[in-house]
Amino acid sequence: EAGVAQSPRYKIIEKRQSVAFWCNPISGHATLYWYQQILGQGPKLLIQFQNNGVVDDSQLPKDRFSAERLKGVDSTLKIQPAKLEDSAVYLCASSLVGPSSYEQYFGPGTRLTVT
Amino acid sequence: QKEVEQDPGPLSVPEGAIVSLNCTYSNSAFQYFMWYRQYSRKGPELLMYTYSSGNKEDGRFTAQVDKSSKYISLFIRDSQPSDSATYLCAMSRPGNTPLVFGKGTRLSVIA
Repeated sequence: EAGVAQSPRYKIIEKRQSVAFWCNPISGHATLYWYQQILGQGPKLLIQFQNNGVVDDSQLPKDRFSAERLKGVDSTLKIQPAKLEDSAVYLCASSLVGPSSYEQYFGPGTRLTVT
Repeated sequence: QKEVEQDPGPLSVPEGAIVSLNCTYSNSAFQYFMWYRQYSRKGPELLMYTYSSGNKEDGRFTAQVDKSSKYISLFIRDSQPSDSATYLCAMSRPGNTPLVFGKGTRLSVIA
């Protein structure tokens, strides 16, 4: 079974530039999460989708971050404009809906450096 | 008070030692308790999960949950250099809810 795919793996941009990350979840997983992991911290939820609908985006800085999952499969997370404090690893995770929804599978992450 | 507290370490032990990793939490609604292992420059991978209180054993790993104390533990027996990683505790409420993570504890097992 293929895992969660993410690209790019690394990205370096200057502040005020824009950047986009892509995620392809495990086939059949209806729920998709984007987490932000700052160095030395645990992952923190940015947004949760179920199919193509948003379930929780309460911690997404909506003035600069946006995310979509148009066809209920792949997802894109965008930052525009980036700030220095956005330097982090952006992790995508997916899970089934139902009793085993606690089992979240993570991709390798995209390491963003904002200079 | 953070929802989940975890000592970030670092923790360094000799090969073969028993390792004890712990987290405390404040939200009594948490029902699922997970331990993830994260190698450098990799995504977290699910190591063990426990539903509600109790113990669970899987090979050299044992997870314990004490809901009355809001305290969870992961024990690693006969630790190996390949166990060197960051261990993240994570918790969630019932239903299709996101995980709340601790900071992670960096473990080094020295051969």
